[in-house]
Amino acid sequence: ETGVTQSPTHLIKTRGQQVTLRCSSQSGHNTVSWYQQALGQGPQFIFQYYREEENGRGNFPPRFSGLQFPNYSSELNVNALELDDSALYLCASSGDRSYEQYFGPGTRLTVT
Amino acid sequence: LAKTTQPISMDSYEGQEVNITCSHNNIATNDYITWYQQFPSQGPRFIIQGYKTKVTNEVASLFIPADRKSSTLSLPRVSLSDTAVYYCLLNSNSGYALNFGKGTSLLVTP
Repeated sequence: ETGVTQSPTHLIKTRGQQVTLRCSSQSGHNTVSWYQQALGQGPQFIFQYYREEENGRGNFPPRFSGLQFPNYSSELNVNALELDDSALYLCASSGDRSYEQYFGPGTRLTVT
Repeated sequence: LAKTTQPISMDSYEGQEVNITCSHNNIATNDYITWYQQFPSQGPRFIIQGYKTKVTNEVASLFIPADRKSSTLSLPRVSLSDTAVYYCLLNSNSGYALNFGKGTSLLVTP
């Protein structure tokens, strides 16, 4: 059983650019959630996908969007990057009706 | 959303038992109490979950009083590798969003 993986590990972008972060969920997990973690803070929920449909969204603007694919992979897209988007982005997968979410190691995004 | 309150930081020596208490006065009937652990530059890791009374696994114990307005995570005989941030969360087991606060930063020293 493989764990949750994310790519890239680190990324540097310029304000106004767009970025795509990728996540590979644990095999068999139909639910994927994305979180943003600023330095010194706990992770904040961005949105969740279940079987390729958005299943819930946190307090993030529409320029944060996502996709989930049938092969247990998913993407987080952020348009018009702002300096405050600099953070660790985490994805987490879980099985149907499972309260336990398995987190990936995260992608560290720096916006300059 | 029900909010949780926990100490910002705690210090302990190796080999001691550490108890981290979390307050959740407005916990809902269908809320479970869940604890995650996070090491620097890693994603959080599930530790334990409970609804009431006591739950124990190979890593920790979780004590929940009858009124469920607080809970205590107990880590027996901590080691240096237990230095991490510990988050107390409430979730309704729907697989929905996990609401992390700032957590408790535990420092274990020799």
